Order: sequence, then C-alpha cells, then structure tokens
Amino acid sequence: DADVTQTPRNRITKTGKRIMLECSQTKGHDRMYWYRQDPGLGLRLIYYSFDVKDINKGEISDGYSVSRQAQAKFSLSLESAIPNQTALYFCATSDPTAGTVDNEQFFGPGTRLTVL
Amino acid sequence: GNSVTQMEGPVTLSEEAFLTINCTYTATGYPSLFWYVQYPGEGLQLLLKATKADDKGSNKGFEATYRKETTSFHLEKGSVQVSDSAVYFCALSDRGGSNYKLTFGKGTLLTVNP
Repeated sequence: DADVTQTPRNRITKTGKRIMLECSQTKGHDRMYWYRQDPGLGLRLIYYSFDVKDINKGEISDGYSVSRQAQAKFSLSLESAIPNQTALYFCATSDPTAGTVDNEQFFGPGTRLTVL
Repeated sequence: GNSVTQMEGPVTLSEEAFLTINCTYTATGYPSLFWYVQYPGEGLQLLLKATKADDKGSNKGFEATYRKETTSFHLEKGSVQVSDSAVYFCALSDRGGSNYKLTFGKGTLLTVNP
C-alpha cells in the first residue's frame, strides 16, 4: 500500500476553473510539501506545512493556496487555473524527529495537470 | 541562498558503461546531501544520502561522496543497467535553524540502451 497518495492522478481542465489536488499520507509525518515539476526546471516548492497550524509559502506560491485539514491531509488549490500551471505536481512528507535520514522526503506518485 | 547545479542531460549510455552525474552546491553552513531517482511514471524516491563531509552514500551500486572542499556530490555507478534509466535529482537540505526544506537541482535524464 502506498504511504503517500495523490488524487487525481491526471486532470485536464480549462482556463479559469478552480481545481483542487489532494494528498493523503499514512506515515504519521507532521511535515508535508507541495512541489511542481516542469521539464528542465526540476522541482520547485509551492507550499509547505510543518504541522496542522503552520503553513508557509514556498518559492512559487502565487496562484496557489493550500489547506491542511488534518495531519494526514494536505490539499493544493488553483483558484483560477491558467495554462502555465500545466505541470506535474508532487506531494511529499517528512519527519526529521522520527529518526529517519535528515529531512528525507517521501513522495507521492504525482498528479499530471493540464490547463487548456 | 541555497542552490544545486547538476550536469545537464540527457545522458545516453550503453549497458555496463560507467556513469558519472556531476552535482555541485552552494549553501550556508553544512547541508545534508541527497540523490533522488524518478523512474518513468513514478514519484521521486531517495537513492542515497550523506550528512557530513567525507561521508559516502551508496545504494543499488550507486555511490556519491560528500566533498566539502569542492562543494560537490557526484553520482557514480560502475556498470549501468537498462533498469537504471530514470531522472536523477541532486538535492540539499540546509539544517540551519528550523528550515528543513529541500533544494533540488534540475534533474538529469539517464537512458541506458541494451
């Protein structure tokens, strides 16, 4: 069973639509992250959350918002999608206090979003 | 700020060839260093890591040594297989304060032909 799951896995939408991407984890980690991956640009951090009450902007948060509904759930929203938000989106978790490798992050399988 | 620069791809090799993917970094303090691998259609998974200078990380025949003097963490494998075809990401984690975010390089696509 996957420890970090993302839904949907693929989504095609139109410009101006509101989209929510969901991430759930069963690892019991406090820290969760949203990244986007674009060809030739690697992964860029959109938002991160160190616990349910702590949410922080990453390097490319404009046009995105997040909600940490519970320790296990972290959702990413595009309030009004635009074509340059077409990308592969990854959720990740970590918990440095649990004796794991220093900030090893565990990634979900990704959501491929296309905005037409 | 922190940054990671890794060898641009794509890299195409024949099976059993030697692999090197270069990675250099800029960071304040003493970061932890990682190599992640992304197989086709999957998320990233940790390949290996090193947390202090001169540490060597290894896994699945891959190795990388944390070189503080050259701020490098090059990935090597002596004999690649077709199944090693993937995108490889070098990353660092700055342990200063409470900031444990990862900074990634742009990724290097490796294709291994039979």
